[in-house]
Amino acid sequence: QKEVEQNSGPLSVPEGAIASLNCTYSDRVSQSFFWYRQYSGKSPELIMSIYSNGDKEDGRFTAQLNKASQYVSLLIRDSQPSDSATYLCAVKRLNSGGYQKVTFGTGTKLQVIP
Amino acid sequence: EAQVTQNPRYLITVTGKKLTVTCSQNMNHEYMSWYRQDPGLGLRQIYYSMNVEVTDKGDVPEGYKVSRKEKRNFPLILESPSPNQTSLYFCASSLPMGTSYNEQFFGPGTRLTVL
Repeated sequence: QKEVEQNSGPLSVPEGAIASLNCTYSDRVSQSFFWYRQYSGKSPELIMSIYSNGDKEDGRFTAQLNKASQYVSLLIRDSQPSDSATYLCAVKRLNSGGYQKVTFGTGTKLQVIP
Repeated sequence: EAQVTQNPRYLITVTGKKLTVTCSQNMNHEYMSWYRQDPGLGLRQIYYSMNVEVTDKGDVPEGYKVSRKEKRNFPLILESPSPNQTSLYFCASSLPMGTSYNEQFFGPGTRLTVL
């Protein structure tokens, strides 16, 4: 089982719709969760972070965390063509050496159709 | 402007020719890391550094070396590059991993091709 799993997509949604991106993780004691957006050929940029169960909203973005189910999601409301990118889920956990590290999923490609 | 810089941005080289990719950050971050990104495999950590003179292996360290002599710089060294090291490389920095809010800031990437 991968440490962080995402559906690679592409996920296609029409402009103005809600895009729902999902991520599951294997380490139950993971502590922090991040969503990065990456445009093709560019570096990842952080769009949301979440640390406790529940929802966290920031503009058109909502991150949802369910630690019992080991599941984190990102909702993008009123999707725009400029949201078309790959979305990376990242999870911070303790590694075997007792140090905290961040592990990335392989990303979900989102396509917003005008 | 707070940023992470990498050089070179693009590099084509041949098998066995030693190369160094530089990384520098101006945010006084303790933690720095190198990743490679390959299609279908996502971002994989090569090496990381928790502070000056403290480095450790990530998930895919074979064929790479790093050093951290100064807080702001974290160069990635390929002593004898091979074609399987053709990839897109990112350097990142952040506050210490033990900090609750430690977003990683990424450099612009270095696209390396080894022939």
